[in-house]
Amino acid sequence: AQKVTQAQTEISVVEKEDVTLDCVYETRDTTYYLFWYKQPPSGELVFLIRRNSFDEQNEISGRYSWNFQKSTSSFNFTITASQVVDSAVYFCALRPSYNTDKLIFGTGTRLQVFP
Amino acid sequence: GAGVSQSPRYKVAKRGQDVALRCDPISGHVSLFWYQQALGQGPEFLTYFQNEAQLDKSGLPSDRFFAERPEGSVSTLKIQRTQQEDSAVYLCASSPGQGRDNEQFFGPGTRLTVL
Repeated sequence: AQKVTQAQTEISVVEKEDVTLDCVYETRDTTYYLFWYKQPPSGELVFLIRRNSFDEQNEISGRYSWNFQKSTSSFNFTITASQVVDSAVYFCALRPSYNTDKLIFGTGTRLQVFP
Repeated sequence: GAGVSQSPRYKVAKRGQDVALRCDPISGHVSLFWYQQALGQGPEFLTYFQNEAQLDKSGLPSDRFFAERPEGSVSTLKIQRTQQEDSAVYLCASSPGQGRDNEQFFGPGTRLTVL
């Protein structure tokens, strides 16, 4: 089965706190891609990052960092020093290799950052 | 540089009515996707085009749903005899070409409410 699980439905933090959003995926494929998208209140999904299954290097982009671990089938996302503008719903997604280019999304984690 | 646009942004239909949702992808993008996002859920794949060819329609929930992209650019998702369970946000995405590392760019969505 191809599946993405985001167990955290909602997280609330105070500005400047660090926060980690969890993502666990299931796939039988050896080649696949993982994504994170942000959905602000306006509704438009904004691409954040893409990783392929052969690249387990962690990535950092400004206040954002991603930890990909194949051994635990996880692709977690950390925001350092959170800001109010980070408030949104965050989706993790899987693109399996054998199928079409469709994305399989998790149910999302709503992050609220309070001032 | 225009992004993906969708119209209308909001649509209210009476149960049993037919509706047509339009997507204008980014100019030159080969691939086009439709997703359905129910309230509080992640987007779920409906169908996918490469140019004018519909390569995957496995996610369409019933034969009341029909999508087309006759000239390989603009796409229309049609829902016949709408039901209350069709109420959702319908998202369109496009990507530059075939290939599983291509990022999908999403439009703002059409929120359909069936009364």
